[in-house]
Amino acid sequence: SYVLTQPPSVSVAPGKTARITCGGNNIGSKSVHWYQQKPGQAPVLVIYYDSDRPSGIPERFSGSNSGNTATLTISRVEAGDEADYYCQVWDSSSDDVVFGGGTKLTVL
Amino acid sequence: QVTLKESGPVLVKPTETLTLTCTVSGFSLSNARMGVSWIRQPPGKALEWLAHIFSNDEKSYSTSLKSRLTISKDTSKSQVVLTMTNMDPVDTATYYCARIARGDGYNTMDVWGKGTTVTVSS
Repeated sequence: SYVLTQPPSVSVAPGKTARITCGGNNIGSKSVHWYQQKPGQAPVLVIYYDSDRPSGIPERFSGSNSGNTATLTISRVEAGDEADYYCQVWDSSSDDVVFGGGTKLTVL
Repeated sequence: QVTLKESGPVLVKPTETLTLTCTVSGFSLSNARMGVSWIRQPPGKALEWLAHIFSNDEKSYSTSLKSRLTISKDTSKSQVVLTMTNMDPVDTATYYCARIARGDGYNTMDVWGKGTTVTVSS
């Protein structure tokens, strides 16, 4: 089965740039989606189709995907960005939807 | 405004069958570019996709849970139902339903319900 690997945690100071990676075999050939989940809340889609932002998501959130790594980049990080972030793809070989293990973003 | 709301039992016993309902509003289950997924999250753990269904009744199940899951929809009631058989304490989790938006070359879960917590215990 297809596996997505995320770092368990990323820490960043306010105003700096956070990069959260999502590794997978040839993930660049798949469409990657990213979700933000704050404590006690449901996930929220922040990036879809590798790099598109849903309406209402700040431009500070961006995404890229190439080779074996997809990356969620959050510029000018704010305290309110502190959350768990999950990447997700559809694995066509198994017809499974796959989530990464999640990354906890801490704003110092 | 698109909303999804999960409902079902808070507590189930081991070996019982869980039935969850997702009631949607703001979009139609007959929309060819929409579908509904079920996802769960055990306490303190990651998201896990369970199943999804589209307007044409196309269904897909998690490979690891396929034998225990059944998904169906009632378009007239705007509801999607998930059943999971032979429940075990490890199935204790928050269960979410989410709308799937189909794009050109991708499906994404763009709106989520608030989730419903299910505990499996005797």
